[in-house]
Amino acid sequence: SAVISQKPSRDICQRGTSLTIQCQVDSQVTMMFWYRQQPGQSLTLIATANQGSEATYESGFVIDKFPISRPNLTFSTLTVSNMSPEDSSIYLCSAQRGAAGAEAFFGQGTRLTVV
Amino acid sequence: AQKITQTQPGMFVQEKEAVTLDCTYDTSDQSYGLFWYKQPSSGEMIFLIYQGSYDEQNATEGRYSLNFQKARKSANLVISASQLGDSAMYFCAMSLNQAGTALIFGKGTTLSVSS
Repeated sequence: SAVISQKPSRDICQRGTSLTIQCQVDSQVTMMFWYRQQPGQSLTLIATANQGSEATYESGFVIDKFPISRPNLTFSTLTVSNMSPEDSSIYLCSAQRGAAGAEAFFGQGTRLTVV
Repeated sequence: AQKITQTQPGMFVQEKEAVTLDCTYDTSDQSYGLFWYKQPSSGEMIFLIYQGSYDEQNATEGRYSLNFQKARKSANLVISASQLGDSAMYFCAMSLNQAGTALIFGKGTTLSVSS
């Protein structure tokens, strides 16, 4: 298994500001992903964080709103930009080692409230 | 298209009883993995159990077992001897046997265990 440290664990932010969430894995992993979980909902994939290149975004998510970096195989950041109350969610990073059918490990999640 | 369906928004069980959480999936791939995760109110995602599509025996992990019926495309989670600490949201998820694919999640089932 892998241990993922995600921070901050929670934050309350003013609308119009930006928040950067960090995710550190204790070992090299092939894939890293960012999910959003709106209140009472399931997890929705935001993007795949690609090491050394631009992230791959899912439909409905754009780089200007959710810029992602992944400078190496153990670290990634997600920024939630120009926040509005609709961005209030839990944001989770996930890592997978290897390719086929590999278990996904999750960070502790960031509970974001925008006021 | 790949899809996970959890039809039980909420389940209630008494302490020490067994409970089954339903999950059906849809995929045309022959090779895939099925997972169950527990999400307590703190928001973290806790891995419970994994079943590969080619595994002939049902997976078991302590009090958790996965009732895998491939022909029916179902992967139900059975929790034996429920405990108060089992109260949480439970997600069924699927990974495809392809490099770089994120997990696909169901909508989740809220389990409430009473004494």
